[in-house]
Amino acid sequence: AQSVTQLGSHVSVSEGALVLLRCNYSSSVPPYLFWYVQYPNQGLQLLLKYTSAATLVKGINGFEAEFKKSETSFHLTKPSAHMSDAAEYFCAVSDHNDTNAGKSTFGDGTTLTVKP
Amino acid sequence: NAGVTQTPKFRVLKTGQSMTLLCAQDMNHEYMYWYRQDPGMGLRLIHYSVGEGTTAKGEVPDGYNVSRLKKQNFLLGLESAAPSQTSVYFCASGLPTGAPEEQYFGPGTRLTVT
Repeated sequence: AQSVTQLGSHVSVSEGALVLLRCNYSSSVPPYLFWYVQYPNQGLQLLLKYTSAATLVKGINGFEAEFKKSETSFHLTKPSAHMSDAAEYFCAVSDHNDTNAGKSTFGDGTTLTVKP
Repeated sequence: NAGVTQTPKFRVLKTGQSMTLLCAQDMNHEYMYWYRQDPGMGLRLIHYSVGEGTTAKGEVPDGYNVSRLKKQNFLLGLESAAPSQTSVYFCASGLPTGAPEEQYFGPGTRLTVT
């Protein structure tokens, strides 16, 4: 079974400050991990994904995430927040399992607010 | 290449009415999914399909039915709508398991049941 916990449903930062969105996962097999972003009234789009090739993953818009197996974490960071980063962010996990049908389990989401 | 499209974008139903949501993808993806999104609850999988002619239940399938008669289309039906089905519905598609591919999402359908 797989699950995802996103710590903090709302995060607020000032423009130019560090963004840190937390994600912890549970998986019985090596996981695939994803971060998606959702802008208002839109569908989800992929920010980055971990597929076991490298523990530090770089994504679009300056975001990156580090896979830490010992902490079962995949936190999302960005060194300097921009107003356009205000959105809802979802962490997701998918098992390496042929019977899983590519299904992902999503966290509850974290709303990022960026203050001027 | 339109990606994943959903029809309609908005709908208001009365309790007991029925409707069908259409999802179409032009990426030749094998897998398709229907989710619902409710405030503070993330996305929950309703039904999914691993190929044309096949469907399976997800996490919250009750009150919904699906069909995948064509590879590019995945239909979600509500036979007798209830207020608890007020939600935003997202369709997604993806490649078969074994490839570390993400899911591609449609823009969503906002459904209100009164």
